[in-house]
Amino acid sequence: DIQMTQSPSSLSASVGDRVTITCRASQSISNYLNWYQQKPGKAPKLLIYVASSLQSGVPSRFSGTGSGADFTLTISSLQPEDFATYYCQQSFSTGLTFGGGTKVEIK
Amino acid sequence: EVQLVESGGGLVQPGGSLGLSCAASGFTFTDYSMNWVRQAPGKGLEWVSHISSRSSAIYYADSVKGRFTISRDNAKNSLYLQMNSLRAEDTAVYYCARDHSDSSGTLDYWGQGTVVTVSS
Repeated sequence: DIQMTQSPSSLSASVGDRVTITCRASQSISNYLNWYQQKPGKAPKLLIYVASSLQSGVPSRFSGTGSGADFTLTISSLQPEDFATYYCQQSFSTGLTFGGGTKVEIK
Repeated sequence: EVQLVESGGGLVQPGGSLGLSCAASGFTFTDYSMNWVRQAPGKGLEWVSHISSRSSAIYYADSVKGRFTISRDNAKNSLYLQMNSLRAEDTAVYYCARDHSDSSGTLDYWGQGTVVTVSS
């Protein structure tokens, strides 16, 4: 199985801050990398697919970059509704795997 | 509007069985692969199983292989997960999720989840 490692596991930030979350795969996965947002008690929501494509309806302050094994999710200006847990997920292999999550908390 | 509604969760004893369902609406069910993903209490997401649009390709996580069976009924727009030989570590919220395109592995719509608790 392909292992996905996210960092940091949590962070504290203020409204308006630029936030960056990284995700590393245990092998090259080309651009088969997706990002999800999950709020407490809710289902995950797709934000970014194939590393950098913004899912319909997702605000443009979210962006994704990377290829190979290293990827980044950036929130350009953190909004109150962005406080949540973020997961990366590889879709390169049939056994889908997720990162451990990054919890974004209010400073 | 795409909707996925899971049902069938509950409390079951270790070694027992449970069947989950996911009712799909708002899209052409036969055009999409489907998945089950679970989340143990306070933990991250774990993919469980995948089934292609015509059931020709089925995959399982190693943790459930041989115990869980995924299936679908395209005439009823429904996805299923039959869970046997349940263990305490199977306790989780189970989500059904649609593939963005057939077997893409990008999960673009999720249900609200159904809770499975395995305990004596």
